Amino acid sequence: KQEVTQIPAALSVPEGENLVLNCSFTDSAIYNLQWFRQDPGKGLTSLLLIQSSQREQTSGRLNASLDKSSGRSTLYIAASQPGDSATYLCAVSDAGNMLTFGGGTRLMVKP
Amino acid sequence: EAQVTQNPRYLITVTGKKLTVTCSQNMNHEYMSWYRQDPGLGLRQIYYSMNVEVTDKGDVPEGYKVSRKEKRNFPLILESPSPNQTSLYFCASSFSGRAWVEETQYFGPGTRLLVL
Repeated sequence: KQEVTQIPAALSVPEGENLVLNCSFTDSAIYNLQWFRQDPGKGLTSLLLIQSSQREQTSGRLNASLDKSSGRSTLYIAASQPGDSATYLCAVSDAGNMLTFGGGTRLMVKP
Repeated sequence: EAQVTQNPRYLITVTGKKLTVTCSQNMNHEYMSWYRQDPGLGLRQIYYSMNVEVTDKGDVPEGYKVSRKEKRNFPLILESPSPNQTSLYFCASSFSGRAWVEETQYFGPGTRLLVL
């Protein structure tokens, strides 16, 4: 059974810092990996989707990488801002069309 | 505006009293699903639907029912709620739901349920 782990569970950084969030998964037989953002009282917003054949995806200040063979993904956030404060979730999709989520990393960016 | 809506957003009920949480999407998506989110356990899929009249169990289907009579709606039914179903519930949809297709899943705002 697929298991997804995110480290750290919580992170607090000063504004302007570059930071890396980690995601690992146990079964490398995935179709894709997605990073989501969750704000309190709101649903999840998809940030980046990486197909299993891809190594990375970029959107603005966000860059996500995927190393399928080692079961790892990282989300890099450049020049962090207070508006980046949220919980970040990674999820992998397998052949059963089911998303398996990690527990999330709660990020606080202090002004 | 493209969106997934859920109702109610908050619900307090008692054990055994049947309830329905509605989910609707306006994007003509074929795929819809329900998740529950619990501290320490993350989001877990309850049921999903690849199209009208097609539903399948996810990771934690026990105690839940769903139906997909129309493409836009995917209600979650708790026939006899129990306290262990207290959770935050999310509905989601995407165009096809096929894992090899690069597509975004859209999530509703969540329904917070408390079962006493």
